[in-house]
Amino acid sequence: AQKVTQAQTEISVVEKEDVTLDCVYETRDTTYYLFWYKQPPSGELVFLIRRNSFDEQNEISGRYSWNFQKSTSSFNFTITASQVVDSAVYFCALSEAGGSNYKLTFGKGTLLTVNP
Amino acid sequence: DTGVSQDPRHKITKRGQNVTFRCDPISEHNRLYWYRQTLGQGPEFLTYFQNEAQLEKSRLLSDRFSAERPKGSFSTLEIQRTEQGDSAMYLCASSLRGGAEAFFGQGTRLTVV
Repeated sequence: AQKVTQAQTEISVVEKEDVTLDCVYETRDTTYYLFWYKQPPSGELVFLIRRNSFDEQNEISGRYSWNFQKSTSSFNFTITASQVVDSAVYFCALSEAGGSNYKLTFGKGTLLTVNP
Repeated sequence: DTGVSQDPRHKITKRGQNVTFRCDPISEHNRLYWYRQTLGQGPEFLTYFQNEAQLEKSRLLSDRFSAERPKGSFSTLEIQRTEQGDSAMYLCASSLRGGAEAFFGQGTRLTVV
């Protein structure tokens, strides 16, 4: 069975600090997909990134970067120079390719608060 | 707006009443998902459609829940004889193909009193 663990329930930082959100996953599949979503107070889940299990290249998009390490089953997310607008709940999710439905299994989320 | 649309955004109902939610996915997406999210938790999978076929239902989806996607377009999720434990955010998502990113609607927040 697939599982996603986000050990950090809440993180509070001061604006301009860097912050890393941890994600550890479990799966028996060799082919799978990993995702990060942002859920601001408005409630809508906003897609941030998708990685497939064969692509371990780290990715940077502006102030966001992702570190995928299969050896430790981790897919961590770093925000550089955080801003107040980054305040939200962030979810890591896993989708297995073994079945046909590609449903997402989410972690419990990390509430990030960026204080001015 | 070409994103996933859900209606209503909020619903308050008395215990025992039936409620129905609607989801309009992104038009070219053939996969549609329903999830449920309770306070402090991540979304949990409820059911999945590929076109008009409902291909999987979670054990979370009791007999009081039914979902349809006629003609492979919009979808409805009905809850009969609502219970207080049904209070949650119901999220709809759609994707273009398996493994692709899913795009979510803003959700319907159900409160059963």
